[in-house]
Amino acid sequence: SAVISQKPSRDICQRGTSLTIQCQVDSQVTMMFWYRQQPGQSLTLIATANQGSEATYESGFVIDKFPISRPNLTFSTLTVSNMSPEDSSIYLCSVVEQNYGYTFGSGTRLTVV
Amino acid sequence: ELKVEQNPLFLSMQEGKNYTIYCNYSTTSDRLYWYRQDPGKSLESLFVLLSNGAVKQEGRLMASLDTKARLSTLHITAAVHDLSATYFCAVPPLYNTDKLIFGTGTRLQVFP
Repeated sequence: SAVISQKPSRDICQRGTSLTIQCQVDSQVTMMFWYRQQPGQSLTLIATANQGSEATYESGFVIDKFPISRPNLTFSTLTVSNMSPEDSSIYLCSVVEQNYGYTFGSGTRLTVV
Repeated sequence: ELKVEQNPLFLSMQEGKNYTIYCNYSTTSDRLYWYRQDPGKSLESLFVLLSNGAVKQEGRLMASLDTKARLSTLHITAAVHDLSATYFCAVPPLYNTDKLIFGTGTRLQVFP
């Protein structure tokens, strides 16, 4: 199955700033997904990113706050913009492969102070 | 809109005991996934259930799927401390089978 490298693994950021999270996959995948996991909570899908097209955002998430890039079939970034303490969460990227199902990155633990 | 609920949300059980975690989902789907998450870690895939009546077992864990009842169970047999983790089920909605909707999670704590 695909191996996903996600970075940074953790960061502490000042409110009002932005953080870009990178996700690199060792094979070409059509779809990549970005999830948020708030402290002690389940995973919530932020958006689906396809190469060459705009990301599709879930209800409650907007492009201005969470811009996503997908420049090729092995890489994606998620930016958390104008951060507030409520954005403190774990952010995970994920890919789906026909024979292996879903694989998740190691996650980025974000703390906004 | 697909909603996925698990119960219990928290389970504290003694080593050697058996217990079942339940996963209910609100609309039709054709697959269900179970994941394990250790504190501070990412998700580890446990099972993929692809059809009604599917049953899969790995060690002390056994998962089953009843698509008609929209119910999956994760049964723990003779629990050991190493099974302490949070368990999530996840379901793809039929209107978009590429994405996953996660359950609320069950935090399992196994004590001696």
